[in-house]
Amino acid sequence: GALVYQYPRRTICKSGTSMRMECQAVGFQATSVAWYRQSPQKTFELIALSTVNSAIKYEQNFTQEKFPISHPNLSFSSMTVLNAYLEDRGLYLCGALTGTNERLFFGHGTKLSVL
Amino acid sequence: QQQVRQSPQSLTVWEGGTTVLTCSYEDSTFNYFPWYQQFPGEGPALLISILSVSDKKEDGRFTTFFNKREKKLSLHIIDSQPGDSATYFCAASRNSAGNKLTFGIGTRVLVRP
Repeated sequence: GALVYQYPRRTICKSGTSMRMECQAVGFQATSVAWYRQSPQKTFELIALSTVNSAIKYEQNFTQEKFPISHPNLSFSSMTVLNAYLEDRGLYLCGALTGTNERLFFGHGTKLSVL
Repeated sequence: QQQVRQSPQSLTVWEGGTTVLTCSYEDSTFNYFPWYQQFPGEGPALLISILSVSDKKEDGRFTTFFNKREKKLSLHIIDSQPGDSATYFCAASRNSAGNKLTFGIGTRVLVRP
């Protein structure tokens, strides 16, 4: 079956520092990768959608300057949280879209804590 | 404005009983509705999904119903098991690809033995 691995599972960073997280699709080619954030007490917020050979589309309230994303091939994507602060805490989820049945499969997420 | 409303926020069911979760939505252009199951510390796993051209989809103990006229959908879990205890999210998108999902706030389900 389709597997999406995210690394690291958990991370703690000091306020004002940056943190990079990775997403790897295993067993399938991810035509698109969607990055979501699940904040405490909130549901999922879409940060950006990255499709191979297309520009990365950021949602309102999220910017490339704050959450730069790299999507170099059909199986890997990474996102960095720059200058992290308390409001950036949460579970960051990578959702990979398969080209065959067009379903979104999520990884375990990277839980970001900010001190 | 919350585009996808989900209820209840939490629910306790006895083992063997039927769990019923409901969602409603506003945007009539939504046409794809997946349900995700999330255990603590894990990412959400796709459980079952339905397109707006259907009114029912069944997968084992899980059935999702869709009412286009009322803009409502529901998830039924029959013969609920303690292992079904998790948070369930409904979601919606405007295309079958589901790559821009709008999620509900989730329902925390506890199945007691």
